[in-house]
Amino acid sequence: GAVVSQHPSRVICKSGTSVKIECRSLDFQATTMFWYRQFPKQSLMLMATSNEGSKATYEQGVEKDKFLINHASLTLSTLTVTSAHPEDSSFYICSASLQAGNDEQFFGPGTRLTVL
Amino acid sequence: TQLLEQSPQFLSIQEGENLTVYCNSSSVFSSLQWYRQEPGEGPVLLVTVVTGGEVKKLKRLTFQFGDARKDSSLHITAAQPGDTGLYLCAGRTSGTYKYIFGTGTRLKVLA
Repeated sequence: GAVVSQHPSRVICKSGTSVKIECRSLDFQATTMFWYRQFPKQSLMLMATSNEGSKATYEQGVEKDKFLINHASLTLSTLTVTSAHPEDSSFYICSASLQAGNDEQFFGPGTRLTVL
Repeated sequence: TQLLEQSPQFLSIQEGENLTVYCNSSSVFSSLQWYRQEPGEGPVLLVTVVTGGEVKKLKRLTFQFGDARKDSSLHITAAQPGDTGLYLCAGRTSGTYKYIFGTGTRLKVLA
């Protein structure tokens, strides 16, 4: 099956700093990647959809200037949490799809962000 | 805003028991998926259903998509400790390519 990796798996940072999370599709080209956030004991909340070479589409309530998404190639999307605050601490998960509309999306293992 | 409500929210049962998890919405979905997620990991796809009334089986797991494509159920027969995890349904409405996740059901199977 298709493999998606995320880096780093865990990150701890100080309040006010920025953190970049990478999502890579290792053995396929992903036209579309999705970014989710999951708070403890809760479900996944879709943050944004990114398509290679175009601007990300953000869900309602997600600040695009705070959560910068770049999908510069068919195998890499990055999420940068700018000026992180403790309330941004969460589990961030990406998924990748071969093409928009394809039913199958492959999830990464997640990145645990802790902001002190 | 489409909302997928799962019930129950939590479930703790003994090994060997049967259980059913429900996923309900007022929206009609073109496809619906079920995932299982272990702590600290990404969700793993179990099944995708696309046809109203469709039933799919995966070993001891039986998935059903409602006739109106607004709801789904997951039935586990003879649960085992290895079934422990967070079960999530996710639905996609026509005209969009994104999946919205349900509220989740946390299952614990005791040996």
